[in-house]
Amino acid sequence: QSALTQPASVSGSPGEPIIISCTGTSSDVSTFNLVSWYQQHPGQAPKLIIYEASKRPSGVSDRFSGSSSDDSASLTISGLQAEDEGQYYCCSSAGGGTFGVVFGGGTKLTVL
Amino acid sequence: QVELQESGPGLVKPSETLSLTCRVSGYPISSSYYWGWIRQPPGKGLQWIGTVDHSDNTYYNPSLKRRVTLSVDASTNHFSLSLRSVSAADTATYYCVRVGLQRFFDWLPALDYWGQGVLVTVSS
Repeated sequence: QSALTQPASVSGSPGEPIIISCTGTSSDVSTFNLVSWYQQHPGQAPKLIIYEASKRPSGVSDRFSGSSSDDSASLTISGLQAEDEGQYYCCSSAGGGTFGVVFGGGTKLTVL
Repeated sequence: QVELQESGPGLVKPSETLSLTCRVSGYPISSSYYWGWIRQPPGKGLQWIGTVDHSDNTYYNPSLKRRVTLSVDASTNHFSLSLRSVSAADTATYYCVRVGLQRFFDWLPALDYWGQGVLVTVSS
């Protein structure tokens, strides 16, 4: 199984862009091509905002974008807004032939 | 519109079995999608518990495998979680989710639909 690592916290001012990284120990390069990202506000279920590294579900703001390489993935939020404050998780396939997933530890985004 | 709704007791005694059911509406479980459970201890991150498909094939987190059973009932569009021998460390919000999609050459992990979550507390 791979393990995914995220920064514990990031912050930015309204209107600025921020980037959240997701790195890992996986030897399977497909891991980061399959990364998905979730936004969670307090008391709510996580919400899918990016899947397959760079694709946005219908209804998700185009201020959210994703990218990946062989050994990492990243989430970019452009034009930060107060409502973007919350917790963000990266996620990918657990590998090993199991239809399971592994999550990063989460990143707390603070909008200053 | 796909909706998932968890149900089950919010309080379980130590050493007993935690049992939750997820009702899926708006989409048949008997499809190419995988369904599963995610949990989140208070103030902590997300942990995958297990995945089940419409044929009752199951896949478990190795750290929980000895205590977990997932099952599916396609006739009623429900799937269920059973976690045995619980302790305080199992206190968490439990979410049922649509985990991902089987594709021709691989599968796509994308947890696109979540239940609202149910807080289960393990305490005597």
